[in-house]
Amino acid sequence: DTEVTQTPKHLVMGMTNKKSLKCEQHMGHRAMYWYKQKAKKPPELMFVYSYEKLSINESVPSRFSPECPNSSLLNLHLHALQPEDSALYLCASSQDSQGYEQYFGPGTRLTVT
Amino acid sequence: AQKITQTQPGMFVQEKEAVTLDCTYDTSDPSYGLFWYKQPSSGEMIFLIYQGSYDQQNATEGRYSLNFQKARKSANLVISASQLGDSAMYFCAMREAYTGNQFYFGTGTSLTVIP
Repeated sequence: DTEVTQTPKHLVMGMTNKKSLKCEQHMGHRAMYWYKQKAKKPPELMFVYSYEKLSINESVPSRFSPECPNSSLLNLHLHALQPEDSALYLCASSQDSQGYEQYFGPGTRLTVT
Repeated sequence: AQKITQTQPGMFVQEKEAVTLDCTYDTSDPSYGLFWYKQPSSGEMIFLIYQGSYDQQNATEGRYSLNFQKARKSANLVISASQLGDSAMYFCAMREAYTGNQFYFGTGTSLTVIP
């Protein structure tokens, strides 16, 4: 099973809201990733968790706050977002920090109004 | 400098024909991996094929093959017998051993299969 699940599929939020994106995998992978993707552009790496510890933060604004409660779960907490944060947010996982392919979830389409 | 370059923003191919999507890369790390992903309009990134820098043979997965030319730093994706469902965005990506789990993506190629 190479499935990564993400919820919700779509999210509309106002600039003063607080919401969370959830990602789950049951492949025993020890590295998990958040990406942001704008239309017709490649994914941009936001955060990497390796063995449940934050290993990469690509200078992401503090209005995005990642959390890795356990090796199967990855959350992205959103607060005071801007309209330009509207994008597809993709979660991915790989075997470990030196593993090979990343498996992606279906993404959450976020619209900030 | 760009780590991954995809020079074809859009490509068209007739159904049942083969198509080659270009990818060149730039690295000084002797150990690296090259990947191709397909992204349909639904948004999910689907892993297609992997080539390691030390692999002697070109990778193949069903109708997908990777034409790996190490000296030219090129890793082109060949899709044989194109199907309408192959219409999607295709991204080439690379990971270097010394940067660990950082993936570098190209700008993508939009493939349209014509019936």
